[in-house]
Amino acid sequence: DIVLTQSPETLSLSPGERATLSCRASQTVSSGSLAWYQQKAGQAPRLLIYGASTRATGIPDRFSGSGSGTDFTLTISRLEPEDVAVYYCQQYISSPITFGGGTKVEIK
Amino acid sequence: EVQLVQSGAEAKKPGESLRISCKTSGYRFTSHWISWVRQMPGKGLEWMGRIDPSDSYTNYSPSFQGHVTISSDKSTSTAYLQWTSLQASDTAMYYCAREGDGNYDDYWGRGTLVTVSS
Repeated sequence: DIVLTQSPETLSLSPGERATLSCRASQTVSSGSLAWYQQKAGQAPRLLIYGASTRATGIPDRFSGSGSGTDFTLTISRLEPEDVAVYYCQQYISSPITFGGGTKVEIK
Repeated sequence: EVQLVQSGAEAKKPGESLRISCKTSGYRFTSHWISWVRQMPGKGLEWMGRIDPSDSYTNYSPSFQGHVTISSDKSTSTAYLQWTSLQASDTAMYYCAREGDGNYDDYWGRGTLVTVSS
């Protein structure tokens, strides 16, 4: 199984700051088959990014994804209060599909 | 508009059976796999398995193989997740999700809360 390790566990930033979330894979995730999801409290997850860097429909351009191989990053360029959530990465190239443990983003 | 509407919350006893559902609309049901994802209280997301509704081919995570059954009904565009003997450790929120053109999950249901307690 491909193990995804997300860091940090919690990120506490002020509105307008840049948030950088990391996802490291135990094996190469080929074809950039990595997605990012946002889950707000009490809600279902929402797809943000797929293919490592392609924003899903309707996702604001302050969210961006990058990386390849085993190291991937989700960046929120200017944090807004509504971005408070847990963010998960997912690899979907290899079965079983796996998720990272999540990064909680808080507002100071 | 793509929608995945999940069945309501369930409260069951250990050893009981259960089937929860995920009714889809707004797209061709047989063109996209459906996945099931578990979220235990206060924990992260766990991929359980998926089904290709066009031929009912299933693919399970080893962690869930043999404990749950995923099925689908083309006539009602509905996917199902089933247990024959629930355990307290099955208490969780269960989400269904549609796989997009890749194997990422582009649309999600709101979840079904399953509580198993004696």
